Formats: sequence, C-alpha cells, structure tokens
Amino acid sequence: NAGVTQTPKFQVLKTGQSMTLQCAQDMNHEYMSWYRQDPGMGLRLIHYSVGAGITDQGEVPNGYNVSRSTTEDFPLRLLSAAPSQTSVYFCASSRAPRDSPLHFGNGTRLTVT
Amino acid sequence: AQRVTQPEKLLSVFKGAPVELKCNYSYSGSPELFWYVQYSRQRLQLLLRHISRESIKGFTADLNKGETSFHLKKPFAQEEDSAMYYCAHVSGGYQKVTFGIGTKLQVIP
Repeated sequence: NAGVTQTPKFQVLKTGQSMTLQCAQDMNHEYMSWYRQDPGMGLRLIHYSVGAGITDQGEVPNGYNVSRSTTEDFPLRLLSAAPSQTSVYFCASSRAPRDSPLHFGNGTRLTVT
Repeated sequence: AQRVTQPEKLLSVFKGAPVELKCNYSYSGSPELFWYVQYSRQRLQLLLRHISRESIKGFTADLNKGETSFHLKKPFAQEEDSAMYYCAHVSGGYQKVTFGIGTKLQVIP
C-alpha cells in the first residue's frame, strides 16, 4: 500500500531549466493537489484537480503547469525554473477533501540556482 | 477570500503544561476545519477535524463560530507532541484546501 508517491526526493536545477515533479497515488482518489512549503509561509496551494481532465489554480499557480490525464497521476511542471521556486513541494490526495483527510507524499526538495 | 490565520510561528511550553495552538478563519459559509501535524522526518498527517469532535493523542479542538476560531488544545504537553501544526480549511464549492502558516510546538523537558 504505497499511498502517495513523489519523485524525485531531491532536485537541483539551474535557472531556466525545466522539469516535472511526479506524483502518483494508488487509493483511487479523485482529488489531488500540489503545495509548496516555505519557511514562514506555511503550505500554499499551487494547483489542484477534482478528477481526471479537471484542474484549477490555487493561490500561487504562476510558473507551474499541471495536467490530469489519469486518476492516479498528477505531475507538476516547471517550464523555466527560477530561484523563487526553491522550495519543498508536497503532493496530496483525498477521496473528497470536505469529508476525508488529505494524504500527503514525502515531498520533493527543489533548489534552483 | 478564505483565510486561515495562525498567529504564532513558535510556541514553547514545558512538559506537563497546557497547550493551546490558535487558529482563526475567515469564511462566510459553513466551515470545514482540520488540524494537520508534521512530526520530524514524517509526512503531514491529519490530527483531527472539527466535525468528528473527537480527541486524538489528547488533543481537542472546538469550533467557535462566534469568534471564528478553531483552537487546538491539550491539557498536559508531552515531549512527543513537539511538531509542526497546521490549521486547514476546505471551501465549499471549489474544494480548495487552505492552510495556515503553521505553528511549531516545542515541548521542553
């Protein structure tokens, strides 16, 4: 029972590079989301999805793209990394966030130089 | 816009002392509120939700609609309670989950 799996755990990028943070869940959850965690700022919602083919923006979506082609996967794309995107990124899923808890991945620590 | 406020970034208490982690929210509808906890080197996990009205690890939280608060309380702090605590709110129609900035609880032996 893997739950929510994020890869990679660590990543260093140079400014302008692109990459995709992977998130997969095996609980058949309709709801998936991405957060970034920064000191003194808490967890801020980047994008979320309420089902395959449906995505929406959170509080801080600029610089990030998402898609949801399957129920299981919700990748987060950085098209042109910037130092301001240095952060710890968490993926979370839920059956329905009003009624059931979010299940979090272990996080990806991203550094952009 | 909905907002969750945790006024204290750090709360230090002695072992055995009472703990109160504050959370205030701004939302005009019926709130759905949660407390999540992150222990060192562990994943964020649900601690409790207001609708269940249960006690988890000795913690309780009561929704006060008049004061728009959902403070987390424990009568006697234990060293293993040291962790990062986040208050979270789920909006109605949009299913957005908004977190506060978090409070680091440090229990001093």
